[in-house]
Amino acid sequence: ETGVTQTPRHLVMGMTNKKSLKCEQHLGHNAMYWYKQSAKKPLELMFVYNFKEQTENNSVPSRFSPECPNSSHLFLHLHTLQPEDSALYLCASSQKSLGGPSTDTQYFGPGTRLTVL
Amino acid sequence: AQSVTQLGSHVSVSEGALVLLRCNYSSSVPPYLFWYVQYPNQGLQLLLKYTSAATLVKGINGFEAEFKKSETSFHLTKPSAHMSDAAEYFCAVSDQGGKLIFGQGTELSVKP
Repeated sequence: ETGVTQTPRHLVMGMTNKKSLKCEQHLGHNAMYWYKQSAKKPLELMFVYNFKEQTENNSVPSRFSPECPNSSHLFLHLHTLQPEDSALYLCASSQKSLGGPSTDTQYFGPGTRLTVL
Repeated sequence: AQSVTQLGSHVSVSEGALVLLRCNYSSSVPPYLFWYVQYPNQGLQLLLKYTSAATLVKGINGFEAEFKKSETSFHLTKPSAHMSDAAEYFCAVSDQGGKLIFGQGTELSVKP
């Protein structure tokens, strides 16, 4: 596997289900991100992890719960979602330099298309 | 606060014609600017980025963009469109801390 992979690619779930999205990066990066891409809206940054520590939670509802067990893996645990949570969820990774401005490029996975019924 | 505006949610060109996708940004600090492309059912792929070096940036697939501070613009161009260029294009600005702010995207259609 190369780059950033995401599983599953498609997920349909009911509002009472619990499911998890998985992201794995094979680039040796130290930062990982979750984005939400809804139709006709800009990409929304949800969470940022640097060196496995969460450094940003962009006012995301608690029904979305991220987990970063190591620098290569990132999960998004889902429970009691709403139909408006249906979207494409993108994972990205980057190599952050220590200190100074960051020009790191984010590399994206193919996304998980989530449908909440 | 930083923001990005992409003018035109949809652009249509003929094969072989010039591609021009517009992006204007707002930033209180010297920005880093990016263009990404998204093909159907795929994630975003970096086309090019500006990080305060040369103002004319060349990217992959024949695309380039010019940073114009006076106009707060970073428009994406390609001299001759190809059918394979049909995709959605996103402009983004970074706050130098690595956080990307994306525009709403421009869908490019290429007619034969």
